[in-house]
Amino acid sequence: QKEVEQNSGPLSVPEGAIASLNCTYSDRGSQSFFWYRQYSGKSPELIMFIYSNGDKEDGRFTAQLNKASQYVSLLIRDSQPSDSATYLCAVMLYNQGGKLIFGQGTELSVKP
Amino acid sequence: DAEITQSPRHKITETGRQVTLACHQTWNHNNMFWYRQDLGHGLRLIHYSYGVHDTNKGEVSDGYSVSRSNTEDLPLTLESAASSQTSVYFCASSLTGNTDTQYFGPGTRLTVL
Repeated sequence: QKEVEQNSGPLSVPEGAIASLNCTYSDRGSQSFFWYRQYSGKSPELIMFIYSNGDKEDGRFTAQLNKASQYVSLLIRDSQPSDSATYLCAVMLYNQGGKLIFGQGTELSVKP
Repeated sequence: DAEITQSPRHKITETGRQVTLACHQTWNHNNMFWYRQDLGHGLRLIHYSYGVHDTNKGEVSDGYSVSRSNTEDLPLTLESAASSQTSVYFCASSLTGNTDTQYFGPGTRLTVL
């Protein structure tokens, strides 16, 4: 079992819809959770991070964490064509000195 | 502005040659990381460093080495390049601790012929 799993997609949503990206992780020692966005040919850029169970909102983005179910998700409201990218979920293990374990990423396509 | 840079951005080399990829950050971050990204594998950690003179192996370290002589730089060396090392390489840095965000450089696309 992979340590961090994401559906590779592509996930296609119409403009203005809510895009829901999911990520599961296997290690219960996971402490911090990050969502990165990566445009084709570019480097990953941080969207947001979450440490505590529940929801965290930042503009059109909401991260949701459920440690009991070992599940973290990213919701993008009012999706725009400019949101079309690959979204990477990353997990930081407790006392692992800041190392991240990445999922394979989910490709999102927002259709005008 | 503080930043993280990588050079070269593109490199073509031949099998068996030694190659060094540079990574330089001006954030004064303690932690620095090297990843490779391949289709179907996502980002995989090669080596990392928590400070000057500290280096550690990641999950795919065979055939690679790093050294940290100062805070700003963590060069990645491919001792004898192999075709399997054709990939996109990203350097990242973070301040310290278990919760600090990693920031990525622009990447180096390496082709080994």
